[in-house]
Amino acid sequence: GAVVSQHPSRVICKSGTSVKIECRSLDFQATTMFWYRQFPKQSLMLMATSNEGSKATYEQGVEKDKFLINHASLTLSTLTVTSAHPEDSSFYICSARDAGATDTQYFGPGTRLTVL
Amino acid sequence: DAKTTQPPSMDCAEGRAANLPCNHSTISGNEYVYWYRQIHSQGPQYIIHGLKNNETNEMASLIITEDRKSSTLILPHATLRDTAVYYCIVRVALGGSQGNLIFGKGTKLSVKP
Repeated sequence: GAVVSQHPSRVICKSGTSVKIECRSLDFQATTMFWYRQFPKQSLMLMATSNEGSKATYEQGVEKDKFLINHASLTLSTLTVTSAHPEDSSFYICSARDAGATDTQYFGPGTRLTVL
Repeated sequence: DAKTTQPPSMDCAEGRAANLPCNHSTISGNEYVYWYRQIHSQGPQYIIHGLKNNETNEMASLIITEDRKSSTLILPHATLRDTAVYYCIVRVALGGSQGNLIFGKGTKLSVKP
């Protein structure tokens, strides 16, 4: 299957700082990428849908000013957690839609964010 | 809310077939059934998907009932590395926001030696 990478895989930061997470589709172009968050022992929760060249669409309850999403190219989307707090500590996972014949989403390996 | 119902957990002996059921009684005619799995602390891995015909690939087989209200994912020869949470998801393919993947709680499959 297609490959999606995320960087960094793990980040620890101080409360109040901002953290940027990158998501790349390595062998296909993704007009649409998605960002998910997963708390321990819970399922994935969709945060936002990112379309290349346009503003992201956020799910209800997700603060767009706190979680900044940029999808500037067909292979790269970034999520910036601004003014992070301990409650933002979570596993953040991106996915990219390969809109070819199979229209399948492929997921990155995830980023573990710990806010101290 | 997820549109599927799966048992919370299942056990399988190593080398045996693992059959994971999924109910999706409210599935629409243009919705596909997708299966993903998530090994601990990793991103979900795509397994297989189908519309109404049975499907097979190098990882698994997908059996969809004729009325499409349920399906079964079959791992023909389970190994210890197949221990994971398996998610059954229905979604519209090639359809804007309707194409989002909404994850339920999945089935935790434990493969035992």
